[in-house]
Amino acid sequence: ETGVTQTPRHLVMGMTNKKSLKCEQHLGHNAMYWYKQSAKKPLELMFVYSLEERVENNSVPSRFSPECPNSSHLFLHLHTLQPEDSALYLCASSQDWAGGQETQYFGPGTRLLVL
Amino acid sequence: TQLLEQSPQFLSIQEGENLTVYCNSSSVFSSLQWYRQEPGEGPVLLVTVVTGGEVKKLKRLTFQFGDARKDSSLHITAAQPGDTGLYLCAGAAHSGSARQLTFGSGTQLTVLP
Repeated sequence: ETGVTQTPRHLVMGMTNKKSLKCEQHLGHNAMYWYKQSAKKPLELMFVYSLEERVENNSVPSRFSPECPNSSHLFLHLHTLQPEDSALYLCASSQDWAGGQETQYFGPGTRLLVL
Repeated sequence: TQLLEQSPQFLSIQEGENLTVYCNSSSVFSSLQWYRQEPGEGPVLLVTVVTGGEVKKLKRLTFQFGDARKDSSLHITAAQPGDTGLYLCAGAAHSGSARQLTFGSGTQLTVLP
């Protein structure tokens, strides 16, 4: 496989469930991102990992817990979510370097519905 | 907080027509990127503009970065149904790291055959 892959593509869960989203990048990048995309709202950056170290955590509720075991894999662990957490969760990766302008490559997303 | 406003929010046109999408901010960005997102997929990068006043062309798409690097436009000539999608602009923070991308809310374009 190439690029950025995400599983599952669709997920329905109850508010008491625990689930995990998985992202894998095959591009040799060293930075990975989680975004939330809700209807009629801009993409919201949730977490950033650079060299497997979390460098950004944009005031995300603790019911979202990220994990980056290595530079190719990123997880988002979900527990006791709320219906308003229903959205498209996008993973992205880039080659992080001082000076910026790196391109972020996005996965296809996981469409999450919380009942 | 840096904000990017895109207009129009929705646009429905006939095949062959021209259109322009705008991305505006009161903040200065070190670079600005345009993405297109199709249903069920993640955003795909179209172009990155870096220099104030820069113009880049990608076939029928023309991208311009404002002189002050606060705004950008995307012009499509002779739109095709394949151009249908959500167009997103994203600005990189002035510090230079694209990890600080700020996204606009998008323009949903529909091109009717």
